[in-house]
Order: sequence, then structure tokens, then C-alpha cells
Amino acid sequence: EIVLTQSPGTLSLSPGERATLSCRASQSVSSNLAWFQQTPGQAPRLLMYGASNRATGIPDRFSGSGSGTDFTLTISRLEPEDFAVYYCQQYVDSPPITFGQGTRLEIK
Amino acid sequence: EVQLLESGGGSVQPGGSLRLSCAASGFTFSSYAMTWVRQVPGKGLEWVSAISGSGYSTYYADSVQGRFTLSRDNSKNTLYLQMNSLRSEDTAVYYCAKNWGPSKPFYDYWGQGTLVTVSS
Repeated sequence: EIVLTQSPGTLSLSPGERATLSCRASQSVSSNLAWFQQTPGQAPRLLMYGASNRATGIPDRFSGSGSGTDFTLTISRLEPEDFAVYYCQQYVDSPPITFGQGTRLEIK
Repeated sequence: EVQLLESGGGSVQPGGSLRLSCAASGFTFSSYAMTWVRQVPGKGLEWVSAISGSGYSTYYADSVQGRFTLSRDNSKNTLYLQMNSLRSEDTAVYYCAKNWGPSKPFYDYWGQGTLVTVSS
């Protein structure tokens, strides 16, 4: 089973700042990585797939990069609605699908 | 518009059973694999089970293998998760999710979730 480790656990930033979230895989997943955003009481929302492809309707302030074992989700200028929990998910080795433990992005 | 509506959650004693349903609309249901993901309140996401579009292939997490059964009725656009021998560690919000595409098991649409509580 591929383990995904996200860092940091919590990121405290202000609106307008740049956020950089990391996801590291225990073995290569090539580009088979997705990112999700979850706000309180809501289901996860797909942000990125294939490591760097934005899902339908996702603003271009969100970008993804990386391949192999190291991935980054960047939010260029934080909007108030971006403060949420973010999860990465690998889908190269399935089943089982695995998710990272999440990064909480909170308002500073 | 794609919609996924889960139902069937509730409270049950350890060892009991529940059947979750997920009613789908807005897409050609039989063309897409479907998945259940669960989340203990306040915790992370855990993949539970998946089923191919035809229903012929099913996959389970080790934690539920032998206790949960996933099925679908493509004539009713509905997904079912039969959960038997429930344990306290099965307590979670259960989400059904639509796979993005064949051989690409990530999820572009999710239901709102249904809470399952296993407690004596």
C-alpha cells in the first residue's frame, strides 16, 4: 500500500498570501495524483488530477506540480473561501486507493 | 447536473447490519465505476469499496473485506453498500463518489454523505 504524507499538518496564512502544500508518496505514483478540498460539513471537492490538471470550474489560482513521489499544490493568492482542509490521493496503485492525512489551511 | 444522494445511515449496535443506498442522476450511471469513501468525523478520508460500471468487478479495503458487499442496479441508477458485522470503528460519514473515468479512480462528484454510528 502506498502511503501519502502531507505537510505541513496546519498552515496559517492571511488572505492574499501564497500557500504551498506538499504531498509525498512512499513510492512512485507517476502523475497519478489528485487533490481535494473539503470545507466543514461538506463533501470533498476535486481540485486537481494528473498532478497538474485543474478540474472543471477550479479557479486558475490553484496549480499543481510534481511527479514520482513529490507533489505540490499551490494557491497563488488566498481567497477567504480557500481556507479548508486539503487532501491528496493516489490512484496508480489501486486498489487500495489511499489518501494523505490532510493539511488544514487556516486564517492567520 | 450530476447528483448523488446517499441514504440508509443511522445508529446500529455492534454486530448489526445496515444497507446504504446512493441514488445517482445526471449522467449515464452504467458507464462509470462508483466508490464509497468514509470519514470519521474530524479525521481523514478512507477508501472503502469500489465497483465497475457493469457491476461485475468489486474491490474492498482490507478493513471491510468479508463484511461489506457493494452492488449496483443500473436499471435504477442506484448503488448499494450492505454492511454486516458492524464494529465501532465503522462509525463514520459514508460518501458515495463517481469515478472520473475508466482506469482513473479519482472522484469528480461526491454525495453529501450519510452518517453511520455503531454503538451499544
